[in-house]
Amino acid sequence: TQLLEQSPQFLSIQEGENLTVYCNSSSVFSSLQWYRQEPGEGPVLLVTVVTGGEVKKLKRLTFQFGDARKDSSLHITAAQPGDTGLYLCAAGGGGNKLTFGTGTQLKVEL
Amino acid sequence: GAVVSQHPSWVICKSGTSVKIECRSLDFQATTMFWYRQFPKQSLMLMATSNEGSKATYEQGVEKDKFLINHASLTLSTLTVTSAHPEDSSFYICSARGGGSNYGYTFGSGTRLTVV
Repeated sequence: TQLLEQSPQFLSIQEGENLTVYCNSSSVFSSLQWYRQEPGEGPVLLVTVVTGGEVKKLKRLTFQFGDARKDSSLHITAAQPGDTGLYLCAAGGGGNKLTFGTGTQLKVEL
Repeated sequence: GAVVSQHPSWVICKSGTSVKIECRSLDFQATTMFWYRQFPKQSLMLMATSNEGSKATYEQGVEKDKFLINHASLTLSTLTVTSAHPEDSSFYICSARGGGSNYGYTFGSGTRLTVV
């Protein structure tokens, strides 16, 4: 079973700060996804990265897929309280299963 | 876009009773659905893969007799927690995937189960 380790596990920052969340594995993935989940809701897809070295931007969020397609990062610029949530990376496995990373709980305070 | 409806959003039941959770794909056919379990402040853990018209595939450590999964149509999968106990209290989330796209996972809004 592939393991997706995310770091940090918890992150509490002030509004306006920048942050980076990492997703690492020893396995190679054909694609990797990032989700954001709010309490009491299902995860919502933010982005899918496919190509090694790929960088995708979604407003203040920048996603990067490692050259070897084993890791990924999510960078948030000028964080806002609305960015608060659980950030999850996920990758596909055998049988089309989607395995989630260990998660990063982000809290952005005023 | 694709929508997955999960029902109920929350349920409280007594120990020993069974609870059924429904997961419906509203505007697409889902050949495969997935059921996850999530504890507070933790990630989602895959419980089983539900395939339309065939038996579900359970992940290691998940009791198939306790968590019954039925995927009788291309738009509906159900998870029944049988003889529920307080330790079954959790947040259960379903995900549906249509045929074709590699990235077409859509998640339900989850069901908060509390067993008292």
